[in-house]
Amino acid sequence: DTEVTQTPKHLVMGMTNKKSLKCEQHMGHRAMYWYKQKAKKPPELMFVYSYEKLSINESVPSRFSPECPNSSLLNLHLHALQPEDSALYLCASRQGALSGYTFGSGTRLTVV
Amino acid sequence: GQNIDQPTEMTATEGAIVQINCTYQTSGFNGLFWYQQHAGEAPTFLSYNVLDGLEEKGRFSSFLSRSKGYSYLLLKELQMKDSASYLCAPRRGSYIPTFGRGTSLIVHP
Repeated sequence: DTEVTQTPKHLVMGMTNKKSLKCEQHMGHRAMYWYKQKAKKPPELMFVYSYEKLSINESVPSRFSPECPNSSLLNLHLHALQPEDSALYLCASRQGALSGYTFGSGTRLTVV
Repeated sequence: GQNIDQPTEMTATEGAIVQINCTYQTSGFNGLFWYQQHAGEAPTFLSYNVLDGLEEKGRFSSFLSRSKGYSYLLLKELQMKDSASYLCAPRRGSYIPTFGRGTSLIVHP
């Protein structure tokens, strides 16, 4: 298995909703990442988990809450989002510092 | 920041060769990634350069000059499916790579 799987692929949520994005990989990668990408912009790093511990939080608002239940799973819990949070949310993993990222296909999030 | 600079858009003809340049801030530099991203899809890894020189991988090659803070991605025998955004992503020290804004390549018949 050489993939990163993200669910759901599309999500529409209201500003008062609570939802979660899920990411799964079975490549044994010990670093996992959440990125946010707006249209025609590069991916922007949100969170990094290394060995299931949060190692980087790029000053992300608390309405985004990451969770790493085990070495294969990464969640992003969403609560009270704003319309400007609408974007493609990408999960990635990699084996080590010299390896490229393997990205999931992303979740297209629309906040209404 | 990394001061990453790459052209916003390039066009080329099917079968031709195109070179996409990227310049970046050299302080603490520790390697550079290139990614391809088709519209609406996730980025896919193309190459990683840490030493000076050219690395060839099929139709794609990537070049790095550490002293000049310069890299390029060379695409040969262009195909229509190569139309995509190409992201340059240098890393400093042990930090996470930072993505450039990307170069949108349009390949036409």
